[in-house]
Amino acid sequence: EIVLTQSPDTLSLSPGERATLSCRASQSVSSDLAWYQQKPGQAPRLLIYDASNRATGIPARFSGSGSGTDFTLTISSLEPEDFAVYYCQQCSNWPITFGQGTRLEIK
Amino acid sequence: QVQLVQSGAEVKKPGASVKVSCKASGYTFTSYYLHWVRQAPGQGLEWMGIINPSGGSTSYAQKFQGRVTMTRDTSTSTVYVELSSLASEDTAVYFCARVGVRGISTAWIDYWGQGTLVTVSS
Repeated sequence: EIVLTQSPDTLSLSPGERATLSCRASQSVSSDLAWYQQKPGQAPRLLIYDASNRATGIPARFSGSGSGTDFTLTISSLEPEDFAVYYCQQCSNWPITFGQGTRLEIK
Repeated sequence: QVQLVQSGAEVKKPGASVKVSCKASGYTFTSYYLHWVRQAPGQGLEWMGIINPSGGSTSYAQKFQGRVTMTRDTSTSTVYVELSSLASEDTAVYFCARVGVRGISTAWIDYWGQGTLVTVSS
């Protein structure tokens, strides 16, 4: 089973700042990685698929990069609605696995 | 528009079973695999398994083998997950979620159900 480790566990930033979230895989997942945003009481929402493709309706301030074992989700300028928990997920190997999440909180 | 609508909250006693439904609409039901993912209170996302609505084939996470059953009803475009021998550790929100690429199982998830809270308590 591929283990995804996200860092940091919690990120405290202010609106307008740049956020950089990391996801490291225990073995190569090629570009088969997705990012999701989850707000309290809601289902996750797809942000990025295939490591760097924005899902439909996702603002351009969200971008993804990386391949192999190291991936990054960048939010260029934080809006108040971006404070949430973010998960990465690999779909390269069975079983699919999720990272433990990064909580992005308002500083 | 694609929608996945799940059944309502459940309260079960330890040792009991629970069956949660997920009704799909807005797309061809048999063309997309569906996952079940759960989330314990304050915890992360845990994959439980996947079902192919076309033929009904399934694949389960090893952790749930022998205790989980996923089925589908093509006449109502509904998938089900049944979990038996419930314990307090099974208290969680259970989500159905659609694979984002038609006809394959290994891809991102593009749509999620609203979640169903299952509480296991004596």
